[in-house]
Amino acid sequence: GDSVTQMEGPVTLSEEAFLTINCTYTATGYPSLFWYVQYPGEGLQLLLKATKADDKGSNKGFEATYRKETTSFHLEKGSVQVSDSAVYFCALSSVSGSEKLVFGKGMKLTVNP
Amino acid sequence: DVKVTQSSRYLVKRTGEKVFLECVQDMDHENMFWYRQDPGLGLRLIYFSYDVKMKEKGDIPEGYSVSREKKERFSLILESASTNQTSMYLCASSTLGGSSYNEQFFGPGTRLTVL
Repeated sequence: GDSVTQMEGPVTLSEEAFLTINCTYTATGYPSLFWYVQYPGEGLQLLLKATKADDKGSNKGFEATYRKETTSFHLEKGSVQVSDSAVYFCALSSVSGSEKLVFGKGMKLTVNP
Repeated sequence: DVKVTQSSRYLVKRTGEKVFLECVQDMDHENMFWYRQDPGLGLRLIYFSYDVKMKEKGDIPEGYSVSREKKERFSLILESASTNQTSMYLCASSTLGGSSYNEQFFGPGTRLTVL
């Protein structure tokens, strides 16, 4: 079945450091790909998405490119802030007809000043 | 501002109690979902519903049931709470697909402790 594998952390960075969170997937066809973020004490919210190969999603300084050849959707940010401290989830939307999302296990990021 | 709301942020119950977790969305979404979130395990789908009175089991339905009598409301029921059901419970909703783009909108979560 469809699956998502992502870095699990936890990861601690200093402010202004470069961030990469790896995400790879296994799926049939061409799924849509998502990054969700969960700030402390809150539910998940969509950070960015890409719906077809070579699409780049971007939001709040974060970027991720849908790479079909490497089945990857790595999240990057050039300069993290303390306010980026959160748990990050990679997810895919199956094309099998299901309405479900398949989530990775999440990665906790802490950014220190 | 679109919203998914959950009835409680924190809940403490005793073993054997019947527990109801309520979720309401105001986006007229067809699909609604219940997940539990545990450290190291990520999000696991318990049940989902794609229409009123319709439900499907997710990955971990044992010990849970659901009810969807109205489109905007999806209830998770723990028939007889046990300590291993202590967890964060997240509700989500999405519009009906038709494509592969199925963004889900999440509520703030209910942290349930079973003593």
